[in-house]
Amino acid sequence: DAGITQSPRYKITETGRQVTLMCHQTWSHSYMFWYRQDLGHGLRLIYYSAAADITDKGEVPDGYVVSRSKTENFPLTLESATRSQTSVYFCASSGNRGTNEKLFFGSGTQLSVL
Amino acid sequence: AQKITQTQPGMFVQEKEAVTLDCTYDTSDPSYGLFWYKQPSSGEMIFLIYQGSYDQQNATEGRYSLNFQKARKSANLVISASQLGDSAMYFCAMRGGMDTGRRALTFGSGTRLQVQP
Repeated sequence: DAGITQSPRYKITETGRQVTLMCHQTWSHSYMFWYRQDLGHGLRLIYYSAAADITDKGEVPDGYVVSRSKTENFPLTLESATRSQTSVYFCASSGNRGTNEKLFFGSGTQLSVL
Repeated sequence: AQKITQTQPGMFVQEKEAVTLDCTYDTSDPSYGLFWYKQPSSGEMIFLIYQGSYDQQNATEGRYSLNFQKARKSANLVISASQLGDSAMYFCAMRGGMDTGRRALTFGSGTRLQVQP
């Protein structure tokens, strides 16, 4: 069963290193999103994309870079990881038919920055 | 700006009883949607229920219902006949408008529900 997949599931890295989290969806959804989940904050939007080659910042974009060269992929890169970026990262996608379009989430990537 | 407030960090309920999880929201959009998601300990995000701002009736999905009070800007989730498997984190979220920049959901901080046998 296809859907939305994230990789890796777990990642440990060191401060200053570059890390890329992958996200792939098979529904041809227009919209894709990256959220981070931290205790007490719920899910906060990092970046989103309305279509291939169209991306924009969310609530907490600093320190992150995204790209979307193909509709199905939406990688998130931490250019120089910091400890404050230790979090669980969720990728999500949705269609664009209306306000009732729910988000479909990947399984998440648990990132630890040491 | 949109804002979702969940004031109950944690709640306990006895098995087979009903429980209400509170959610209030703030938006200036005339049209918006409200969502509830469940996150069990395994971590995945599971969609539960949706309510549109112009829907005349409260949404229901099985044991889940949404108590939507538009004037009070509240969208409380009601779980009837709680089961042990309902123990999880629950997030309220909203989407306002159809602009490209607002297709994302804004989430509350969540409520952790524990169902006791």
